[in-house]
Amino acid sequence: DIQMTQSPSSLSASVGDRVTITCRASQSIKNYLNWYQQKSGKAPKLLIYIASNLQSGVPSRFSGSASGTDFTLTISSLQPEDFATYYCQQSYSTPHTFGQGTKLEIK
Amino acid sequence: EVQLLESGGGLVQPGGSLRLSCAASGFTFNSYGMSWVRQAPGKGLEWVSGISGNGGATYFADSVKGRFTISRDNSKNTLYLQMNSLRAEDTAVYYCAKYFGLIPAAPQNYFDYWGQGTLVTVSS
Repeated sequence: DIQMTQSPSSLSASVGDRVTITCRASQSIKNYLNWYQQKSGKAPKLLIYIASNLQSGVPSRFSGSASGTDFTLTISSLQPEDFATYYCQQSYSTPHTFGQGTKLEIK
Repeated sequence: EVQLLESGGGLVQPGGSLRLSCAASGFTFNSYGMSWVRQAPGKGLEWVSGISGNGGATYFADSVKGRFTISRDNSKNTLYLQMNSLRAEDTAVYYCAKYFGLIPAAPQNYFDYWGQGTLVTVSS
């Protein structure tokens, strides 16, 4: 199975900050990497698909990029509603494994 | 509007069985792969199982293989997860999720819609 490792596990930041979350795959997954946002007690929500494609309706402050087996989710200017947990997921092969999550908290 | 509504969760003893359902609406159900994803209390997301649009291809995580069965009734727009030989570590919120495409194993897939989840608790 492909292992997905996110870093950091948690992050404190302030409104207006630029934030980067990284996800590393244990082997090549090409660009088949997706990002989800989950708020407490709610279902996950798709943000980015296939590494860098912004899902419809998601604010443009969210972006994704890829370099080999390393993937990055960037939030250009944090807004109050962005404080949540973020997960990466590979869809290159089943099982479609998730990273362990990055909890983004208010500083 | 796409809607996914899970049901069937509850308290079950270790070794017991439970069947989850996910009623789908707002899209052509048989044209999309579907999946179950779970989240243990305070933990991250775990992909559990997936099924193709026509039900002909199924996929399972090693942790549930041989114990769980995924199926769908396209005439009823409903997805199922039959869970047998349940263990304490199966305790989780179970989410139903829609794939963007027909075949879960197609790499360009992702979950574009999720249900709100149903809680399964395995305890004596």
